[in-house]
Order: sequence, then C-alpha cells, then structure tokens
Amino acid sequence: GIQVEQSPPDLILQEGANSTLRCNFSDSVNNLQWFHQNPWGQLINLFYIPSGTKQNGRLSATTVATERYSLLYISSSQTTDSGVYFCAVDDSGTYKYIFGTGTRLKVLA
Amino acid sequence: EPEVTQTPSHQVTQMGQEVILRCVPISNHLYFYWYRQILGQKVEFLVSFYNNEISEKSEIFDDQFSVERPDGSNFTLKIRSTKLEDSAMYFCASRRAAKNIQYFGAGTRLSVL
Repeated sequence: GIQVEQSPPDLILQEGANSTLRCNFSDSVNNLQWFHQNPWGQLINLFYIPSGTKQNGRLSATTVATERYSLLYISSSQTTDSGVYFCAVDDSGTYKYIFGTGTRLKVLA
Repeated sequence: EPEVTQTPSHQVTQMGQEVILRCVPISNHLYFYWYRQILGQKVEFLVSFYNNEISEKSEIFDDQFSVERPDGSNFTLKIRSTKLEDSAMYFCASRRAAKNIQYFGAGTRLSVL
C-alpha cells in the first residue's frame, strides 16, 4: 500500500515565525488533505489539495503530484497554530485515507 | 459548511461490554468511513462503506466490529465485546464522490476500563 511520510516530526517556533511542513507519498493519489488536530482531538480540515496551490489567510499549500509531495506553509505563526498537522492521501484504487505520522507544532509566545 | 455529527462525544465502558458509536453523515454523501486514533498515534483506517455494504476493511476490523446504516441517515459502528486496547478516538467521515473532499466528524473518545 501507499506510504506517507511527514517531516519534521516536531517543530518549535517563536510567534511570528514562518514554517514549512512536508508530506511525501509513495504512489499516485486521487485525494489529499491537510488537517490540524486541535487540543480537543478534532481534525480540522485545512486544505483539500490533490494538486496545485491554494491559500487561506496565513496558510497555503502546494501539491506537486508528479513528484509525490505536498507542502503546507504557515506564515506569521500564532500560539493558536499549535497542535498536530496531518496529511492524508488515498490509494488510487481504494479511496480510503492513509494518514502520515504528523508534525507536532508548538508556537511559543 | 456541512458537517458530520458524532454521538456521544465521550463514552466510558467496562471491558467486555458492547458499545455503539453513532454518526450522521452529510445527507447527499455516498461513501462512509470509520477511522480510529489511539492516543499519541496516527489516525488509522477501519472500514469503508458504499452502496449499503462494506467496500473495504482493515486488519483491525475483526469479528468484534460491525457497521450498519439502518435508516438512510445514521451510520453506526458496533464493538461487540470491548477490550482495553479499543480505547481510542473514533472518527466517522463521509464524502460525496470518490474523488472529493472527505468530511470528518468531531470524534467519539472511547475509554474502556
């Protein structure tokens, strides 16, 4: 099955800093999403982005499907950005999501 | 924004008891999923459901687990005889089409004592 790797596993930033989170996947995909897991455990959808680039406020994402990676950019980070960021991709034939192991982000005031 | 609704938000049960986790997917969606996340770990796929039947299940989804869509709106996950290792957050998800965004519920935290 498809393999999903995220890097870095942990990231500590000062408030106001920028960061880039990476998701590599081992095969072609139909669907890809980025999630933020908040302190209550909820998975908050950030982007549905199987290809191309999208922006939403301070967050943006780019997926280069032909090279099998996706990037999540966080600019001017805030303490509320803290939490775990997951990327999820699906097998081209099954459509179930395979999640990466996540990047745990801590933003310090 | 449409949402997937899960109840209860937290369920505490004794080992060996049966539990039913409930989900109301988005109304015009066709594909339904259950995932689970053991504390501190990544989210894992359990089962997918399409056209009133299971389309795929993982190794975790053994004979103790079952799913139902009893009335066209609810989607339930039953664990027949819970074990300590079933303690986890369980997420329900749905999507309208195969190549489309998957919407996740807020989760049910299951604690087996």
